[in-house]
Amino acid sequence: NAGVTQTPKFQVLKTGQSMTLQCAQDMNHNSMYWYRQDPGMGLRLIYYSASEGTTDKGEVPNGYNVSRLNKREFSLRLESAAPSQTSVYFCASKLSGAGGLTDTQYFGPGTRLTVL
Amino acid sequence: GEDVEQSLFLSVREGDSSVINCTYTDSSSTYLYWYKQEPGAGLQLLTYIFSNMDMKQDQRLTVLLNKKDKHLSLRIADTQTGDSAIYFCAESPNSGGYQKVTFGTGTKLQVIP
Repeated sequence: NAGVTQTPKFQVLKTGQSMTLQCAQDMNHNSMYWYRQDPGMGLRLIYYSASEGTTDKGEVPNGYNVSRLNKREFSLRLESAAPSQTSVYFCASKLSGAGGLTDTQYFGPGTRLTVL
Repeated sequence: GEDVEQSLFLSVREGDSSVINCTYTDSSSTYLYWYKQEPGAGLQLLTYIFSNMDMKQDQRLTVLLNKKDKHLSLRIADTQTGDSAIYFCAESPNSGGYQKVTFGTGTKLQVIP
């Protein structure tokens, strides 16, 4: 049981390049999330998928697209990377059942992205 | 919109108590969380409290909630070097189903041996 996995761990891009960040969870969770973490700004929600087959914009969606490929996988795509997208990206998943201490968001280890 | 604020940095000596503070603005916040982020890792849930509670204790951790002032604190007793991390306060109006969580900026706790 690996929990939430993210690939790659590190990536350096040039301005204008594209890439896809991969996220997978093996906990049979319904909801998945993409956040970015910037110094002094906490975590900001980029996109989320409340359940398989649905995706919605979060707080900072501009410049990103997502795909909920199946229940396990939720990818984040940067079509034309910009220096402002330099950040640490976290994927999270949640059972989204009746609630409670175990029905909470579980985070992956993060992808550190630098755009030059 | 919702806002969660924390001080950015706290330094304490090993063995002392640490108190990390947080304020939030959303009066509909029902669940308030503390997450811990160790270097190079994702966030891990430490504890949470319902808005109808004033206090929750879990081993070395004590969470205090002042709902009137919208103030949340996390006290770590007998702080150890392994407690060095970034601590995030977060709030949500719900626990079940899809959950919108608003995170604070994080407080970096430095424990001096």
